[in-house]
Amino acid sequence: GAVVSQHPSRVICKSGTSVKIECRSLDFQATTMFWYRQFPKQSLMLMATSNEGSKATYEQGVEKDKFLINHASLTLSTLTVTSAHPEDSSFYICSASTEGGELFFGEGSRLTVL
Amino acid sequence: KNEVEQSPQNLTAQEGEFITINCSYSVGISALHWLQQHPGGGIVSLFMLSSGKKKHGRLIATINIQEKHSSLHITASHPRDSAVYICAVGNNDMRFGAGTRLTVKP
Repeated sequence: GAVVSQHPSRVICKSGTSVKIECRSLDFQATTMFWYRQFPKQSLMLMATSNEGSKATYEQGVEKDKFLINHASLTLSTLTVTSAHPEDSSFYICSASTEGGELFFGEGSRLTVL
Repeated sequence: KNEVEQSPQNLTAQEGEFITINCSYSVGISALHWLQQHPGGGIVSLFMLSSGKKKHGRLIATINIQEKHSSLHITASHPRDSAVYICAVGNNDMRFGAGTRLTVKP
């Protein structure tokens, strides 16, 4: 089946630094990629939707200057958490959608900001 | 009121029992997804439904578009089915249920 690879799986950084998370669709071209955030014991929260070659669409309440999303190709989207603070510590997950609407999820990235 | 309501929130079952998880939604949708999230965090899409019923192994998913309701059934449940099951609706504007934490005891 289709595979979506997310990297890194875990990252620890100091407050004020920026962290980049990559999401790659390994065996299909993803027309759309999604980025989610998940707090402990809570469900997924959609942060933004990105389409290749265009600006990401952010959900209400998500700061686009804080969470930079780049979807440079049909197989790669990146999420950069800029000037990270402890409250940005969370589990970040990406998914990629096929043309038929099927979703494939990355393994997730656990960010800890000290 | 949440746009996607799941019930129950938590469910404990004995191995072999028949499991039903329900999802009701209030928005118009083009598709509904059932997702499975294991303790490590990884998420697998189990089904994508726009009408009717789908079956995959011991898992069955149904949707009633008129009633805006979907159910996920697990037959002959097994401890390895223990996970959080999440209902999600929409495509580019996906909304998620709070999840159902299933524990199947041997």
